[in-house]
Amino acid sequence: TQLLEQSPQFLSIQEGENLTVYCNSSSVFSSLQWYRQEPGEGPVLLVTVVTGGEVKKLKRLTFQFGDARKDSSLHITAAQPGDTGLYLCAYRDDKIIFGKGTRLHILP
Amino acid sequence: GAGVSQTPSNKVTEKGKYVELRCDPISGHTALYWYRQSLGQGPEFLIYFQGTGAADDSGLPNDRFFAVRPEGSVSTLKIQRTERGDSAVYLCASSLIGGLGTGELFFGEGSRLTVL
Repeated sequence: TQLLEQSPQFLSIQEGENLTVYCNSSSVFSSLQWYRQEPGEGPVLLVTVVTGGEVKKLKRLTFQFGDARKDSSLHITAAQPGDTGLYLCAYRDDKIIFGKGTRLHILP
Repeated sequence: GAGVSQTPSNKVTEKGKYVELRCDPISGHTALYWYRQSLGQGPEFLIYFQGTGAADDSGLPNDRFFAVRPEGSVSTLKIQRTERGDSAVYLCASSLIGGLGTGELFFGEGSRLTVL
C-alpha cells in the first residue's frame, strides 16, 4: 500500500512556465519532506514542512503543507532546465518513506 | 571524502550469483539506511541501522537479502542467489541520528545492480 500518492507522475513543460505537483494521503503526518533527485545521484533534501498550513519558499520553489497535515504541494515559478529531476515527497517514522515521485522535465 | 560513498557504482552479475554492496557513511553518523530504487520509482526502504544493530529490517524482501554493520560505520548489503528482479539501484543514506528524531538523510550515488 502506497501511503503517499504523488501527481502527476510525469510532467514536461517549457522553460518559463509555472507548475504545481502534489503529494496526497489519507493519513495525517507530523511532517513531510520534499527531495529532488537528479539522474545518477541520490535524493537531496529540499525542505521539511511541519505545521499545518505552513508555506516555505526556496528561491522559485514554494512548498505548502495542508491544513489537515495530510497533503503537500510544490509550486515552481518560471521553471528552468536546471529544475529537471525526480521530485519525491516523504514522511518520517523511524525511517524515511518515499512516494513514487513526479518526474519533471523542463524544455529549453 | 565528506559524503556517503558506495561501491561498486555498477555491478553486473549472472542470475544465481552472490553480490555484496558496500556503503561508507558520513563520519560520525550513527544511523545508516539502505533503499532500493527501480526505474521510474521512488526509493523503497530495505533496512535501517542504529549503530551496529538493525533497528528495522521490515523492508528486506526475503531471506536472500542480508545487511551488516559490524563496527557501526561501514555497512555491507549482501544478496544471495540473485534474480533478475533484483536489478535496481541500491541507495545508501546516513544521518546524524535515527529513529523518530531522524533529520536529514544524506544519500550516496548508489550502486546499480544488473542481474542477467
